[in-house]
Amino acid sequence: QAVVTQPPSLSASPGASVSLTCTLPSGFNLATYRFYWYQQKPGNPPHYLLRYKGDSDKHQGSGVPSRFSGSKDASANAGILLISGLQSEDEADYHCLIWHNSSWVFGGGTKLTVL
Amino acid sequence: QLQLQESGPGLVKSAETLSLTCSVSGASMTSSYYYWGWIRQPPGKGLEWIGSITHSGLSFYNPSLKSRVAMSVDTSKNHFFLSLDSLTAADTGVYYCARRGVNDAPFDPWGQGTLVIVSS
Repeated sequence: QAVVTQPPSLSASPGASVSLTCTLPSGFNLATYRFYWYQQKPGNPPHYLLRYKGDSDKHQGSGVPSRFSGSKDASANAGILLISGLQSEDEADYHCLIWHNSSWVFGGGTKLTVL
Repeated sequence: QLQLQESGPGLVKSAETLSLTCSVSGASMTSSYYYWGWIRQPPGKGLEWIGSITHSGLSFYNPSLKSRVAMSVDTSKNHFFLSLDSLTAADTGVYYCARRGVNDAPFDPWGQGTLVIVSS
């Protein structure tokens, strides 16, 4: 069972808002996890976007627009990357990262297509 | 401005050992406030943390790779290194080096990555 699961792909229209999920297995305590989010465009290394554990424990990457934000969905046991006002340049792969059992664990990544 | 650059052989043979170097410029590696890490990405797939090392050589490895991985550091040259042995085709991918601050800091920045192909 994967520690963190991301949907392989997602699509949305320009101007829309989209939530990318990073789901933990049931039984994992969502509140204790800090989620790191990265954006990766073809041929480039991942670019750090933000970190989110809670509203009092969060960090925005340098120069990252405020339309990128983090949250959690307790009902889904998931970390969320919310992108609002979607732009064509947001088309990319998005990776989540957590610290679990003394290891850094990445999700499989979500390919976001802006239609 | 901190920059990292990976270097090493682009093609290695199965069962052999991969050796990569990450060259750090724009900052000294001697600070105790950072970890220096390796992350890889198979073609068309997700990212996998390989391990991290401190300036003093204290290392932490992914349990799934621990038996095959060794990392080291040379702060006098501002370099750190990755060794991965018993290679198979599954080790093919882009290998990135990155810096992470202590506590809750992210892996940032990253090098551009170097493609390693394991051939039989």
